[in-house]
Amino acid sequence: EPEVTQTPSHQVTQMGQEVILRCVPISNHLYFYWYRQILGQKVEFLVSFYNNEISEKSEIFDDQFSVERPDGSNFTLKIRSTKLEDSAMYFCASSERAERYYEQYFGPGTRLTVT
Amino acid sequence: AQSVTQLDSHVSVSEGTPVLLRCNYSSSYSPSLFWYVQHPNKGLQLLLKYTSAATLVKGINGFEAEFKKSETSFHLTKPSAHMSDAAEYFCVVSVPDSNYQLIWGAGTKLIIKP
Repeated sequence: EPEVTQTPSHQVTQMGQEVILRCVPISNHLYFYWYRQILGQKVEFLVSFYNNEISEKSEIFDDQFSVERPDGSNFTLKIRSTKLEDSAMYFCASSERAERYYEQYFGPGTRLTVT
Repeated sequence: AQSVTQLDSHVSVSEGTPVLLRCNYSSSYSPSLFWYVQHPNKGLQLLLKYTSAATLVKGINGFEAEFKKSETSFHLTKPSAHMSDAAEYFCVVSVPDSNYQLIWGAGTKLIIKP
């Protein structure tokens, strides 16, 4: 069964460093998302991406964040200068369509630890 | 605005007894509702989704959820808990005017006692 994959599973970085989190969505899916879950808190929407551009982003997704689909299969989230509060589990998701009842399929997550 | 409230942060049941995880939603639209499960150190897996075809929705692993519009609820149930059901469960609503981004409840941790 097709699945969303994410690498790395765990990333440790120092404050101020840049990190890139990678995702490979399901191949026929057209809509891509990033969510994060800070330990002990709700899962929060960060950004959605369709047709090579951002379609929606939350207040969390400030200028330090960017996304791109560099090669038609990978979907990446970049944090330019990490802060301690960026420590969280980051989930990538993809969906065939952005319509009612179309579920999003999630990857296993990348645990980002900023020290 | 869309929102989801999961009424219990933890639910503890004995193996073989029924499970009830409660969820209430708020939505300006006819809602799209989902339950996701997260096992320890694993990703988020879809359990079931409400599609308006039926108010009682069957999912994987014997779970069901009933959509009650009058109560704005979408509670998750299972007749008989199994040790492998121990996980965190999330009730989720999607937002139609924002590319169907998902709004998540806080989660309910299900603990199964032997």
